[in-house]
Order: sequence, then structure tokens, then C-alpha cells
Amino acid sequence: EPEVTQTPSHQVTQMGQEVILRCVPISNHLYFYWYRQILGQKVEFLVSFYNNEISEKSEIFDDQFSVERPDGSNFTLKIRSTKLEDSAMYFCASSDRNSPLHFGNGTRLTVT
Amino acid sequence: GEDVEQSLFLSVREGDSSVINCTYTDSSSTYLYWYKQEPGAGLQLLTYIFSNMDMKQDQRLTVLLNKKDKHLSLRIADTQTGDSAIYFCAARDAGKSTFGDGTTLTVKP
Repeated sequence: EPEVTQTPSHQVTQMGQEVILRCVPISNHLYFYWYRQILGQKVEFLVSFYNNEISEKSEIFDDQFSVERPDGSNFTLKIRSTKLEDSAMYFCASSDRNSPLHFGNGTRLTVT
Repeated sequence: GEDVEQSLFLSVREGDSSVINCTYTDSSSTYLYWYKQEPGAGLQLLTYIFSNMDMKQDQRLTVLLNKKDKHLSLRIADTQTGDSAIYFCAARDAGKSTFGDGTTLTVKP
């Protein structure tokens, strides 16, 4: 069964550094998402992306964050100038119009 | 915006049935999902139901939807220790999915 893949599985970075989290969505899906889960807390929506543009974003998704689909397969989340509170699991998901969201296994981001 | 609520904890004995409940607020939600998360792992889609359905059964899993009350439940028959995990309810309209806080299911032998 096709699946969403995310790399790396764990990223450690120093406060103030930039990180790029990578995702390969399911190939025939057109809708892409990033969610975040701070340890022990709920899964929070960050952003959705369709037709090469952001379709919706949450209050969390401020100017520190950006998303890109640089080629036909990858979907990336960039976090500029990371803060301690950005430490979390970041999940990528994809779907088509009428399918459930399929999630990757996540990238654990640790900001020190 | 959408608000999804779940009870936080459920403990059952192996072999019993588990029922996890969820309520949502947006009547325009068209898809309701159940995800399972094991410790340190990702979000595994367990099952889902469209808003025009009342019930869906998939092996040991039964989803019931009361659209009038905006109430969703997940029943796990013959619960096993391997079912111990956090279960998330999620509601989706045309765009994003909104998740509940998750119900931690503990299965005792």
C-alpha cells in the first residue's frame, strides 16, 4: 500500500538555526498538509497546500514557517530561526479530494 | 472553528469491548476519522465514516455516527493488549482535519 514518507526521522538543531523537514506524499494525491504534535499534547494543524499554493494555515503557521513543493514529489516544511518551543513531532499528510488524510511516521524535531 | 472533544482515558480488561466516544461541533464535517498512535509512532488511520452513514463495521471495529448529536464512537470488540494506544478522533470538512486530544486506551491482561 502506498505511504507517505518523511525524512529525517529525528532532527536535532540549535536554537536560531533553520531546518527543513521533508516529505514524499502518496503519488496521486493532490492535497498536502503539515501537522505538529508537541510531546503529550494534541495534534495541531499547521498548513494545507493545494495546486502549488497554501490553501489554509493556522495561527501557529507564522512568518517563521514556509512550505514548498520544489519538484513533483517532495513537499517540505522550512522553519527559520528555530525556537525551543518548536520542539515537537511534525507530521506530513496527503489526500485526494475524497480520501482520508494519510500520515507519515513523523519527524521528531529537537531544538537545543 | 471546529472543536473535537474526547474523554482522555479508558481502561478495559483483555477480551472486553472498548468504546471510545467523541463529539464535534461543525455540522458541515463530512468525514470523521479514527487514528491510532502507539508510543513514539505516527498516526495510523484505523477507519473512517462519511457523514451520510450511521454505522460502519470493519472486522473488530465498529464506528457509530449520530449526526444530529454530532457524536461519534469507536467500538473495539475483543480488545487485546496490542490495542493499547492513543486513539484520535478527527473531523474534516472540505479542507483540514481537526483532531481531538486523544483517548489513551489501556488494556489489562
